[in-house]
Amino acid sequence: AAGVIQSPRHLIKEKRETATLKCYPIPRHDTVYWYQQGPGQDPQFLISFYEKMQSDKGSIPDRFSAQQFSDYHSELNMSSLELGDSALYFCASSYTRLNTEAFFGQGTRLTVV
Amino acid sequence: QQPVQSPQAVILREGEDAVINCSSSKALYSVHWYRQKHGEAPVFLMILLKGGEQKGHEKISASFNEKKQQSSLYLTASQLSYSGTYFCGTERGSDSWGKLQFGAGTQVVVTP
Repeated sequence: AAGVIQSPRHLIKEKRETATLKCYPIPRHDTVYWYQQGPGQDPQFLISFYEKMQSDKGSIPDRFSAQQFSDYHSELNMSSLELGDSALYFCASSYTRLNTEAFFGQGTRLTVV
Repeated sequence: QQPVQSPQAVILREGEDAVINCSSSKALYSVHWYRQKHGEAPVFLMILLKGGEQKGHEKISASFNEKKQQSSLYLTASQLSYSGTYFCGTERGSDSWGKLQFGAGTQVVVTP
């Protein structure tokens, strides 16, 4: 069965650089969520999209932006990277609002040096 | 409002039982349970909706007490494969759909 695909799996960037993370949801899933998980931390909700429209925002810094495209894939753009942005970034997708489980991708491990 | 999980960690011997609790100070619409192995993505276990239902996944079951705004995850006759960090994620309703708020996690270690 198809799963949520994230790319790249690993990314190393220098401070103040820009990074773009991509997420391809499970086919027919209309909702995408982005989470940030620091070492030893629980996943923190960043932002979500439903039918290509931003639906909710969590603790996403202003330096980050995201969008969902017509093919439902999503990209998280991160600028002016800081050391504290080093984390595992998960994308999850689900079908319809509420009552449905979110399936997580394998994550992108971002290291800022 | 982040849900509160307890305990923070539990060590079990194979075959033993454990209970993990997840509580919220706000009214909940649903509670999701996930298990995450180190360095891997969280894996969905089950979802419980308000109404006090109970669900099961293999020998892992959960309940949702709407009055207490608390969900409990029961690990029965634990297996080595149950090791990992268990997260509960909560939704408060239509104003926060999809915005799962995760608890800090409960680390479970099952030993032979």
